[in-house]
Amino acid sequence: EAQVTQNPRYLITVTGKKLTVTCSQNMNHEYMSWYRQDPGLGLRQIYYSMNVEVTDKGDVPEGYKVSRKEKRNFPLILESPSPNQTSLYFCASSPLAGGYNEQFFGPGTRLTVL
Amino acid sequence: SQQGEEDPQALSIQEGENATMNCSYKTSINNLQWYRQNSGRGLVHLILIRSNEREKHSGRLRVTLDTSKKSSSLLITASRAADTASYFCAPGGSYIPTFGRGTSLIVHP
Repeated sequence: EAQVTQNPRYLITVTGKKLTVTCSQNMNHEYMSWYRQDPGLGLRQIYYSMNVEVTDKGDVPEGYKVSRKEKRNFPLILESPSPNQTSLYFCASSPLAGGYNEQFFGPGTRLTVL
Repeated sequence: SQQGEEDPQALSIQEGENATMNCSYKTSINNLQWYRQNSGRGLVHLILIRSNEREKHSGRLRVTLDTSKKSSSLLITASRAADTASYFCAPGGSYIPTFGRGTSLIVHP
């Protein structure tokens, strides 16, 4: 089944403890991105990747890192999480870079930073 | 990035009524997409309309696009309680599309 998977789905952690949220797609898509969703603010893009080894900042990249070593994986890294990073996170992929194709979304990761 | 702005922010209707939501954007596009999000879940793609199309249908969904006004509308006919969700537009093209705050639709049974 074609899908985007994220792990973990739920995570409660403490300030400063490094964490990684994994994202994987099995559709051979070139483009992948990370969003965070907060009440009243909608979805905001954190980082995106046009292809392997090509990543770029979205609208709210501060406090996050990403890597794209393989086409299928696009992990989101929080080196030193803070409470303002408590949010619902979504990974998405699409066949080509840019907005020419529909994006496929993962189920979301709800992160709480205490 | 190109962001769409949805209007209204919230819409509450009765089952069986039609629901209309609008999207405005700022620059030229190649296409415009609409997505649905059920509470706490990932977005699901509904429909894509290309810049050379004016109207597109998919089941109970009807999307229009007016490139001269840089706007689009999504009409859901004969709404059902299961249509309760947030709806987002995503103007697409050579840049990276982002999502606005969406329209929150509540359909009362």
